[in-house]
Amino acid sequence: NAGVMQNPRHLVRRRGQEARLRCSPMKGHSHVYWYRQLPEEGLKFMVYLQKENIIDESGMPKERFSAEFPKEGPSILRIQQVVRGDSAAYFCAVQASGGTYNEQFFGPGTRLTVL
Amino acid sequence: GNSVTQMEGPVTLSEEAFLTINCTYTATGYPSLFWYVQYPGEGLQLLLKATKADDKGSNKGFEATYRKETTSFHLEKGSVQVSDSAVYFCALFISNFGNEKLTFGTGTRLTIIP
Repeated sequence: NAGVMQNPRHLVRRRGQEARLRCSPMKGHSHVYWYRQLPEEGLKFMVYLQKENIIDESGMPKERFSAEFPKEGPSILRIQQVVRGDSAAYFCAVQASGGTYNEQFFGPGTRLTVL
Repeated sequence: GNSVTQMEGPVTLSEEAFLTINCTYTATGYPSLFWYVQYPGEGLQLLLKATKADDKGSNKGFEATYRKETTSFHLEKGSVQVSDSAVYFCALFISNFGNEKLTFGTGTRLTIIP
């Protein structure tokens, strides 16, 4: 997983609560992607961040979802007022380094369950 | 836009059978192509890739050839094992500043029975 850590691995929330998902890439990786995998479906791109910048958020739902990647600390995907349809696995990924820029390595994911 | 179409699953095979999982793509530009594998409860692992036409990616006995003329990247393995049971995702990536992301197919669940 190229040292991509995600936590928590499992998160349970009740409808209306907030979910905060964290992604800590290995030192030196400053580009982070978030993807969502709904049950029995493929991964869908959500957002692409560089340190302190959002590069592409074309896959983010317009409301309740936000993402950041501050200068210090992990990248955070925040979901406010969760609904049952937010139940999914959320993966972050980093670009490979050393010339293989088009490869991405994935973290183990956070599985969010909304009751 | 870009899209990936994968063979519908699930696929069930006996051990040592030949495997093919079809993948075709549509892309504006010249993509790199990937196969990722997801074991139960885990994240995605890169299985193999190809970055230009006629390239063959290979790993762990799996192979896929980048066919530009048919816009395909079919995954094959000559003799599958029980440990190959997983979900397989075909994906493409086009590098375009500010628009660099993987586009995935829906995945094909493979089950190998002893």
